[in-house]
Amino acid sequence: DAKTTQPTSMDCAEGRAANLPCNHSTISGNEYVYWYRQIHSQGPQYIIHGLKNNETNEMASLIITEDRKSSTLILPHATLRDTAVYYCIVRVAYFGNEKLTFGTGTRLTIIP
Amino acid sequence: SAVISQKPSRDICQRGTSLTIQCQVDSQVTMMFWYRQQPGQSLTLIATANQGSEATYESGFVIDKFPISRPNLTFSTLTVSNMSPEDSSIYLCSVLGGRATTGELFFGEGSRLTVL
Repeated sequence: DAKTTQPTSMDCAEGRAANLPCNHSTISGNEYVYWYRQIHSQGPQYIIHGLKNNETNEMASLIITEDRKSSTLILPHATLRDTAVYYCIVRVAYFGNEKLTFGTGTRLTIIP
Repeated sequence: SAVISQKPSRDICQRGTSLTIQCQVDSQVTMMFWYRQQPGQSLTLIATANQGSEATYESGFVIDKFPISRPNLTFSTLTVSNMSPEDSSIYLCSVLGGRATTGELFFGEGSRLTVL
């Protein structure tokens, strides 16, 4: 599975949009982009995933560039509860490869 | 979605002993995964547990140290054997939701193990 690069840490003001970048320049055509987050002392939580089109759900939006070499997770109105480590993961989606390989992630701190 | 319960939530153990962690899921799932998260680190996959077959271990993890049972489609156990302080970690159980090829993983709250 392709490697991802994320900033180590970011701050965002409460109520503003948090934009978390992820670089996956070696991504292949059949690899999905997944985002998870881990709030302190909890298990990771699925946020969103996509292949090539932008995706939106009740938690966030995922913007994938046209060449698919990078993506951005957007939390539209960040709250203090969004303080967490955010993991960007790419995975070839086929039966028998359901596991996820976690990188070091971005530690997002929401500032009051 | 899937609701995952892990026991114990935390424990303090003595060096040389073994601890078994239980993972119970509220629905039947084919694949279950065990991860380890050492202090301040990211998650590392230990093994994949399928019902009716032996677990598949990742590089650096062996069955003698981390035996896994998967007796049915809703339950699994991970044993941490002959523990040392280096085994102090959070151990997390996860299951795949949705389709096997694009579904997301659901995680338990983890079992925080401290080895003295």
